[in-house]
Amino acid sequence: KQEVTQIPAALSVPEGENLVLNCSFTDSAIYNLQWFRQDPGKGLTSLLLIQSSQREQTSGRLNASLDKSSGRSTLYIAASQPGDSATYLCAVTGNQFYFGTGTSLTVIP
Amino acid sequence: GAVVSQHPSWVICKSGTSVKIECRSLDFQATTMFWYRQFPKQSLMLMATSNEGSKATYEQGVEKDKFLINHASLTLSTLTVTSAHPEDSSFYICSARRGSGDTEAFFGQGTRLTVV
Repeated sequence: KQEVTQIPAALSVPEGENLVLNCSFTDSAIYNLQWFRQDPGKGLTSLLLIQSSQREQTSGRLNASLDKSSGRSTLYIAASQPGDSATYLCAVTGNQFYFGTGTSLTVIP
Repeated sequence: GAVVSQHPSWVICKSGTSVKIECRSLDFQATTMFWYRQFPKQSLMLMATSNEGSKATYEQGVEKDKFLINHASLTLSTLTVTSAHPEDSSFYICSARRGSGDTEAFFGQGTRLTVV
């Protein structure tokens, strides 16, 4: 069964800092990998989708990479802002979605 | 495009009553919908997968008679929590896929259920 792990579980950084969130998965037979943002008590907002044939995707200050062979993905956030504070979830898609445990990010003004 | 609307966003009900949560794809036809449950500070746990016009497939440990899922049309799936108990209090989220060849899913905003 696919297992998805995210490290770190929580992260607190000062505003303006660049940061990296990590996601690892055990089964490389995936269709794609998605990064989501979840604010407290809210649903999921899709940030980036990387198809299995792609290596990375970029959107604004966000860059996500995918290395299927090693079962890893990273989400890079440049010039972090307090508004980036949220929980970030990665999910890999096989026959269903498998979610990671999430990284709770706090950006301190 | 690709908007999924979930209703209600929050609900409080008494123990023993049933609660229905709706998940609608507003601008696309969803052949497959998924229902998740999320406990505080935990990730999403898949409860069941539903395909339009057929019975839902439940994950191990999820009681199908307690969590009734109906996917009657290509734009609507419902989750009914029957005879709710306080331990059913949780955050429920649905997601939808446009087609079997489309692997991206779109998520509703979630429903906070509190059973008192």
